[in-house]
Formats: sequence, C-alpha cells, structure tokens
Amino acid sequence: GAGVSQSPSNKVTEKGKDVELRCDPISGHTALYWYRQSLGQGLEFLIYFQGNSAPDKSGLPSDRFSAERTGGSVSTLTIQRTQQEDSAVYLCASSEQHRGSYEQYFGPGTRLTVT
Amino acid sequence: GQNIDQPTEMTATEGAIVQINCTYQTSGFNGLFWYQQHAGEAPTFLSYNVLDGLEEKGRFSSFLSRSKGYSYLLLKELQMKDSASYLCAVREASTLTFGKGTMLLVSP
Repeated sequence: GAGVSQSPSNKVTEKGKDVELRCDPISGHTALYWYRQSLGQGLEFLIYFQGNSAPDKSGLPSDRFSAERTGGSVSTLTIQRTQQEDSAVYLCASSEQHRGSYEQYFGPGTRLTVT
Repeated sequence: GQNIDQPTEMTATEGAIVQINCTYQTSGFNGLFWYQQHAGEAPTFLSYNVLDGLEEKGRFSSFLSRSKGYSYLLLKELQMKDSASYLCAVREASTLTFGKGTMLLVSP
C-alpha cells in the first residue's frame, strides 16, 4: 500500500515569505507527527496530532509555525515570514496508535531552503 | 530535561560486528526505538524495546537496561548497505525524542 507522502519534495523560498508543506499519512493512521532535521542534527519534534484531540504543539519553535490536520487525514505545516534558520528537511510521520510499540512511518521529507 | 547520547560516528569492516550505544535521561519512558536512515532518505524502523533484555531480529539485535538508561544496537555480518545513520529514540507519553544519530561507515 501507499506510504506517507509529502509535497513538495524541495522548496526554495525567499526570506520573509510564507510556505506551506503538505503531508498525506498512511490511510487509517490516527497519529501524525511533524519533525525537522537540520544538517548534522537529530530529528526535532514539532507537533503531534492524535485523532480529534487537541494537537500537542510543544515542539513548535516560534509562533511563525502552525499546523492543521483536516478530516483526520492530510496535514499542512505553515511557516510564516520564513527565516534562514528555518532551512531544514521537514519530515512527517504517521502511526496506527500513539502509544506502545506502534512504529512511526516517515515520509520522504520536504527540503526547505530559505535564501 | 531530556538528553539522549550516541556516538557521532563509527567505522567497521564488512562482515564484522558493531555495537552502537545509546544512553538516555528523560522525564518519562514508554519504550525505546532504533531507526536507520540512509543519506537523503526517510528513517525506517529497526527495533523497539520496552522491557529489559535483548530483542533479536535477523542480523540486528537491540538491548535495553531501563535502570541504567542504556540501550545498544548490535549489527552482525555487516554489509556495505548497512552504511547509514542509526537513530536512537525514546518515547515519552505520545511523542518520540531522538538522539542526533550515529553515522556508521562500513568499509570493504
């Protein structure tokens, strides 16, 4: 079956512009996560959605970052007024459950470059 | 605070055995995951430990000691394709906290 998909695969934007990154999770997965990975760094948790519950936004680095998940499926991560330090690979993951041994399946990521 | 430590880089020879260590200090613990990430690709799941002991899966094994806050990933019969970054991650409640990863280079 289809895995997690993300679009675009690459995005180059000018400093100060807004960007939207999209994630299509695996069908039926109730949990969805956003991470970012900078060069030489580990995965940094950004935000987590579980079903209809309020999202866990504790990892968002600033109020320029926001995310939505519509209909319990597709998610969009929005970065407003982008800065050069926002340049990173943004990874989305989904899982069947949010606890226990349920593994997270990752998408291929969106490489964001802010010039 | 949360702290997950792994060596930055390791090298090994094809056919050998390598052990990648991970130590963690987290406010909660609901399991430890190991992921493999090839350059330019998404991480893929390798193993999950929630109880102390060794979990074996083919050439890969993972060990956990909760009292010591310690895990290791053991790779046997190394192959060139095992050259990748190996990420240790701890589940606290619902989310995963990742280490920075260990870059493993397998040489002929």
